Amino acid sequence: LAKTTQPISMDSYEGQEVNITCSHNNIATNDYITWYQQFPSQGPRFIIQGYKTKVTNEVASLFIPADRKSSTLSLPRVSLSDTAVYYCPDNYGQNFVFGPGTRLSVLP
Amino acid sequence: NAGVTQTPKFQVLKTGQSMTLQCAQDMNHNSMYWYRQDPGMGLRLIYYSASEGTTDKGEVPNGYNVSRLNKREFSLRLESAAPSQTSVYFCAISETGDPSSGNTIYFGEGSWLTVV
Repeated sequence: LAKTTQPISMDSYEGQEVNITCSHNNIATNDYITWYQQFPSQGPRFIIQGYKTKVTNEVASLFIPADRKSSTLSLPRVSLSDTAVYYCPDNYGQNFVFGPGTRLSVLP
Repeated sequence: NAGVTQTPKFQVLKTGQSMTLQCAQDMNHNSMYWYRQDPGMGLRLIYYSASEGTTDKGEVPNGYNVSRLNKREFSLRLESAAPSQTSVYFCAISETGDPSSGNTIYFGEGSWLTVV
């Protein structure tokens, strides 16, 4: 199954900006890029979605270059509560393929 | 996660026992999924149902069966539980199951299953 590639883990300190990059080498022309966040003992939840260029919402920004082979999730001024696993699932037919994600640890 | 309800939330089974995990949605979405997540791992697709009346295998279907009872409900059955099936199980839904249309996927709260 095609899967995206992202770092396994990242550490940051409170108040810093965190950027997590995902490679979408097999992205199809019509696919959107979506990021999810998962806290311990909960199911993943939607953070942000985009098709190209930049998208911003109240939680994060998503940067997608012109070739769409990668995407970068940007979390401004992280807090301890942003400690979670972040996923950029791949699309495979009618399925969403989740890899291990990026485990972000925010330190005080 | 309010739109996807899973039961039970916790269950302990003995090896060889059977059980069914229930999933119900109130968002009128067509596609439903069952994933499992092992400690420190990502989510792996067990089975999915693109629409009412259809089911298909995912990445790890062995040892499981599913039923799409109606548009709202999608159940996962373990016929003869094994310790390797100890995991957290997530039910999920999406509107059409077509990622190219900008679909997102919504997850339930999870069901913690331990097989001893």
